[in-house]
Amino acid sequence: KNEVEQSPQNLTAQEGEFITINCSYSVGISALHWLQQHPGGGIVSLFMLSSGKKKHGRLIATINIQEKHSSLHITASHPRDSAVYICAVSRDNYGQNFVFGPGTRLSVLP
Amino acid sequence: DSGVTQTPKHLITATGQRVTLRCSPRSGDLSVYWYQQSLDQGLQFLIQYYNGEERAKGNILERFSAQQFPDLHSELNLSSLELGDSALYFCASSAPLVGNTGELFFGEGSRLTVL
Repeated sequence: KNEVEQSPQNLTAQEGEFITINCSYSVGISALHWLQQHPGGGIVSLFMLSSGKKKHGRLIATINIQEKHSSLHITASHPRDSAVYICAVSRDNYGQNFVFGPGTRLSVLP
Repeated sequence: DSGVTQTPKHLITATGQRVTLRCSPRSGDLSVYWYQQSLDQGLQFLIQYYNGEERAKGNILERFSAQQFPDLHSELNLSSLELGDSALYFCASSAPLVGNTGELFFGEGSRLTVL
């Protein structure tokens, strides 16, 4: 069993839809990260969470430490949101030593 | 622009050869991480350096080595290349440990093709 799992693996949505991507992990963590990888390959860090909820524009990330689960929500989705979204957990006390989930491939159709 | 620079962006070479990938971290970042992303696998952590010292090691093959220089740039050396080494190699940097937000800043990646 992978230490970090994501669902769904692939997701196709219509523009404007509300999207949820889930991440569950089985190890103790110091923080959880959501990353976005565009078709060209570049990776951008979206959020780092150790508790609660964070919001940035149309993106919202939540984490439940007790349930070892995090969700990434995208409101009013747009074709430019099409990307692979990767959940990563950092396990050591320095907040590094990442383990990555397999990623969720999102396609938003106009 | 993340502030992390990787060169080369693309590299095509033959089996058995050796290549060097270079990474310049964001100004002021002391930690450098190397990751491999193959077509059929997600991101795999290879190795971390902090201020010139190796800090953590992941799934890095013995044919691979890395170092971080006094100016904090890092190089990943891949030798005796095999077809299976074809992948995207990412470098990332993060802020100093004290007061660290833990956020990673990724370079654009170096795409290695071994023929």
